[in-house]
Amino acid sequence: GQNIDQPTEMTATEGAIVQINCTYQTSGFNGLFWYQQHAGEAPTFLSYNVLDGLEEKGRFSSFLSRSKGYSYLLLKELQMKDSASYLCAGRTTDSWGKLQFGAGTQVVVTP
Amino acid sequence: GAVVSQHPSRVICKSGTSVKIECRSLDFQATTMFWYRQFPKQSLMLMATSNEGSKATYEQGVEKDKFLINHASLTLSTLTVTSAHPEDSSFYICSLLSTTEAFFGQGTRLTVV
Repeated sequence: GQNIDQPTEMTATEGAIVQINCTYQTSGFNGLFWYQQHAGEAPTFLSYNVLDGLEEKGRFSSFLSRSKGYSYLLLKELQMKDSASYLCAGRTTDSWGKLQFGAGTQVVVTP
Repeated sequence: GAVVSQHPSRVICKSGTSVKIECRSLDFQATTMFWYRQFPKQSLMLMATSNEGSKATYEQGVEKDKFLINHASLTLSTLTVTSAHPEDSSFYICSLLSTTEAFFGQGTRLTVV
């Protein structure tokens, strides 16, 4: 299958920086999404990388290396409200371009 | 504003009954919508791809006779969980894709008792 791997859980303190890594099989995907999901809620769009490099949006940045099948989401100046699950999702190359999600990384922000 | 509207947000039903979940595209015509299921502390698992005017395409392991999908118009897809069992209790969520983003409905928390 087309695997997407990310760590299960990460803990960091308020104000710190956390980097969530995501690796995927390079064949079968063209584009990588990051979503934030609070428990019981729908996912919220954070970023979409289709080209190599870093994209910055305020406190959140996302990086993609297509040749390495690697992406990361960087969260800066962590706030308590950033405690959530962060989902890495690859856009498949089939006719629909459907998304395949990783298992999600639960980020816990402590005071 | 919301791009996708999903109803109901929560439903409790008895075992053996059927439940219909609606997903509406508000801002643009969607020939394709996606249905996901999410169990507690797990990720979103794609169940099926809903195609307007044709049969849905189901992922491996998803029973098409149990999870009926109808996509009769460009703005509405429905998922019906038939003969529901407690193990069908889950968070069901629909999605549609633009070129650069996937939009999600609010999700439906189904509890089968």
